[in-house]
Amino acid sequence: DQQVKQNSPSLSVQEGRISILNCDYTNSMFDYFLWYKKYPAEGPTFLISISSIKDKNEDGRFTVFLNKSAKHLSLHIVPSQPGDSAVYFCAASVYNQGGKLIFGQGTELSVKP
Amino acid sequence: DAGVIQSPRHEVTEMGQEVTLRCKPISGHNSLFWYRQTMMRGLELLIYFNNNVPIDDSGMPEDRFSAKMPNASFSTLKIQPSEPRDSAVYFCASGGETQYFGPGTRLLVL
Repeated sequence: DQQVKQNSPSLSVQEGRISILNCDYTNSMFDYFLWYKKYPAEGPTFLISISSIKDKNEDGRFTVFLNKSAKHLSLHIVPSQPGDSAVYFCAASVYNQGGKLIFGQGTELSVKP
Repeated sequence: DAGVIQSPRHEVTEMGQEVTLRCKPISGHNSLFWYRQTMMRGLELLIYFNNNVPIDDSGMPEDRFSAKMPNASFSTLKIQPSEPRDSAVYFCASGGETQYFGPGTRLLVL
């Protein structure tokens, strides 16, 4: 039972355009969501998070949107840069339950110059 | 801060051998997590500690796997005996609601 799903294994975007990465979850108890970015041969790097009391959180070029009724979140990167090419994982947890994260399978983003 | 430190970065061993992976969390972080990444199962949580105490080991695949955290600055994940299906990248992370990952240990069991 996969509680966090990223249905697109890969995404290709032109430099300067918007990248939109999607994530769906099934467990309505999840109330804290995170995005991580991973380069080859490195560990995942925290990118941005959002609590379920919000529907949007923005940090520079990165914005995360949360639609609780649809159990869906998305990460927008604007404008996309070649250095953004990496695998992006979404993760979910129940806040104040020890930080146990459930990860999606990841989406490989390729930003072409 | 140096971040989460893991050693070794790469390990190649033969089936049946004992493997020990090591992790030094970020100073001041109360929680430590061990993950495994495989193509088939993605990133899965094996076990996590809070204040050096194991809280949830439900992700540990079987008794061949064990983890310890003798103090706040060190943890080990041991596989004994190792099997080829244990080949994966093992990550350690520390933090709380937001976790910070180490670079991982790439394990190959022949």
